[in-house]
Amino acid sequence: DIQMTQSPSSLSAFVGDRVTITCRASQGISFYLNWYQQKPGKAPKLLIYAASTLQDGVPSRFTGSGAGTDFSLTISSLQPEDFATYYCQQSYNTPPLTFGGGTKVEI
Amino acid sequence: QVQLQESGPGLLRPSETLSATCVVSGYSITSGYYWGWIRQSPGKGLEWLGSIYYDGNDFLNPSLKSRVTISLETSKNQFSLDLSSVTAADTAVYYCLRHQAGVIDYWGPGTLVTVSS
Repeated sequence: DIQMTQSPSSLSAFVGDRVTITCRASQGISFYLNWYQQKPGKAPKLLIYAASTLQDGVPSRFTGSGAGTDFSLTISSLQPEDFATYYCQQSYNTPPLTFGGGTKVEI
Repeated sequence: QVQLQESGPGLLRPSETLSATCVVSGYSITSGYYWGWIRQSPGKGLEWLGSIYYDGNDFLNPSLKSRVTISLETSKNQFSLDLSSVTAADTAVYYCLRHQAGVIDYWGPGTLVTVSS
């Protein structure tokens, strides 16, 4: 199975900061990478699919990039509602659905 | 608008079977998509349990395959999860979801299942 590794596992930031989270796949997955946001007590929500395509309704301050094995999620100007945990997930070879370990963005 | 809603037992004793159901509204589960289950242990990440395609073919996590059953209940537009011989390690929030091409576009709100003697 393809393994997904995210870094960092947590980070502290301020409102207005530019934040970047990285995700690495254990083998090449082309652009088949998705990002989800999870707030406490809630189900994850799809933010970005196919590495860089924003899901409907997701603010443009979220940007995804990368291909092959290395990917990133960037929040250009962190807003209070963006404090959450972010997960990457490969969709190159599914099922199974495999996720990174998550990155918690804290104040 | 597609909506998914889980229901589960809440509290189980060790060795019992966890049975959960996901009711789908706004879309017929026989029209397409995969329908699956993911769980999240307290403070932990996301673990895929398995999925069933709209045609009834299932795909299960190999590490749990011997204990997991997923089935469609087409007359009620719902699908279900059975996890046998539970232990404290199975304590988690269980989410049902819809996915296609590996992209999960709809999730249920989750149901907490606690295993304790």
